[in-house]
Amino acid sequence: AQSVTQLDSHVSVSEGTPVLLRCNYSSSYSPSLFWYVQHPNKGLQLLLKYTSAATLVKGINGFEAEFKKSETSFHLTKPSAHMSDAAEYFCVVTPSAGSTLGRLYFGRGTQLTVWP
Amino acid sequence: KAGVTQTPRYLIKTRGQQVTLSCSPISGHRSVSWYQQTPGQGLQFLFEYFSETQRNKGNFPGRFSGRQFSNSRSEMNVSTLELGDSALYLCASSLRLRTSGSFEQFFGPGTRLTVL
Repeated sequence: AQSVTQLDSHVSVSEGTPVLLRCNYSSSYSPSLFWYVQHPNKGLQLLLKYTSAATLVKGINGFEAEFKKSETSFHLTKPSAHMSDAAEYFCVVTPSAGSTLGRLYFGRGTQLTVWP
Repeated sequence: KAGVTQTPRYLIKTRGQQVTLSCSPISGHRSVSWYQQTPGQGLQFLFEYFSETQRNKGNFPGRFSGRQFSNSRSEMNVSTLELGDSALYLCASSLRLRTSGSFEQFFGPGTRLTVL
């Protein structure tokens, strides 16, 4: 079975401080993992993806994530938050085999607030 | 290249009515998937179409249906609307069928459906 747990529903940081959004996953097969961002009244935008290549993945807007198989984690980080980063972030897993191959399983989302 | 477009962006309907939502994928993309997003259930997979054929369906009642045309444009229909159908409906397109391996989905801005 596939599932995603985003450990924090809300994260608040000050502008210029680091961001950490936590994600744990469960997958019956070697997964591909994604982080998407959703700004208010907008669709989902892909930030980065892991597809069994390098475990440290760099994405857009200075975000990166590290795939840790032993911890079944795929946490999203950014060294310095910007006001424009305020949005909702979704961790997504998709299995590489099985009857649900390629189907996206979404976490419940983490709302990131950035204070000036 | 134009992104995924969805029409209309906002809809208000009453219980018992039916509604049709439209999605135009990125040019050249042949796979279209639909998702429902609600505060209570988060993002849930509805169905996927590829080359005018439904390839997979999520766990939704038969009131939810869809189709895909030869130009890859897709529509989804919800009949006998219920209050619980109020949601943001997102469409995503990709170049290949999800079962063909690593792929990336591009999301549209969504259609906000309110059922009164």
